[in-house]
Amino acid sequence: QVQLVQSGAEVKKPGASVKVSCKASGYTFTSYYMHWVRQAPGQGLEWMGIINPSGGSTSYAQKLQGRVTMTRDTSTSTVYMELSSLRSEDTAVYYCARRGYDILTGYYYYMDVWGKGTTVTVSS
Amino acid sequence: QSALTQPPSVSGSPGQSVTISCTGTSSDVGSYNRVSWYQQPPGTAPKLMIYEVSNRPSGVPDRFSGSKSGNTASLTISGLQAEDEADYYCSSYTSSSTFNFGTGTKVTVL
Repeated sequence: QVQLVQSGAEVKKPGASVKVSCKASGYTFTSYYMHWVRQAPGQGLEWMGIINPSGGSTSYAQKLQGRVTMTRDTSTSTVYMELSSLRSEDTAVYYCARRGYDILTGYYYYMDVWGKGTTVTVSS
Repeated sequence: QSALTQPPSVSGSPGQSVTISCTGTSSDVGSYNRVSWYQQPPGTAPKLMIYEVSNRPSGVPDRFSGSKSGNTASLTISGLQAEDEADYYCSSYTSSSTFNFGTGTKVTVL
């Protein structure tokens, strides 16, 4: 079955960087784009960006431009999200979520499978 | 990247229907039929419930339905059940090629 397995919780100091991984299985890794979404404690969901695992192209939320980098390793079917210059407001659960694809309609503007999330805590 | 507006909470008794609204702008909800809905029980990851305004993925009960009028999309849960208690988020693709999420709605089954 389709699974997205994320790396474990992280605790970082302000100004540091964090790199979260998301290992995909159960489908052809390069056939589906991957989103990253985060959720601060008690808050709503925030879209961070998307990566095409096939060619590696990315698109990021304007708010995070310059601080976020999404990469992939096709040999291990893993995508990565690195966030730099961390501040307390970056404390959140970070999710990877596969971009869906409806074969019948060609639609793909949704997230059909989600990882369980990685908690990142930024604290001095 | 402005959040779409949802009511903070809605509630209903078992068997009743509840509707959650999701209001955006002409740059997101109003421009595209690219609205999706996600269910998130406490402490868990979101789960896709509706995509492209009104399509249900396999496995999602037909009690869940979606619609859209102008800049506002809606999710209706008919025949409310205890297991439907969760937070619900809408999402829309935008004219900037990004995604906005809604502010979230807590559904309580009385």
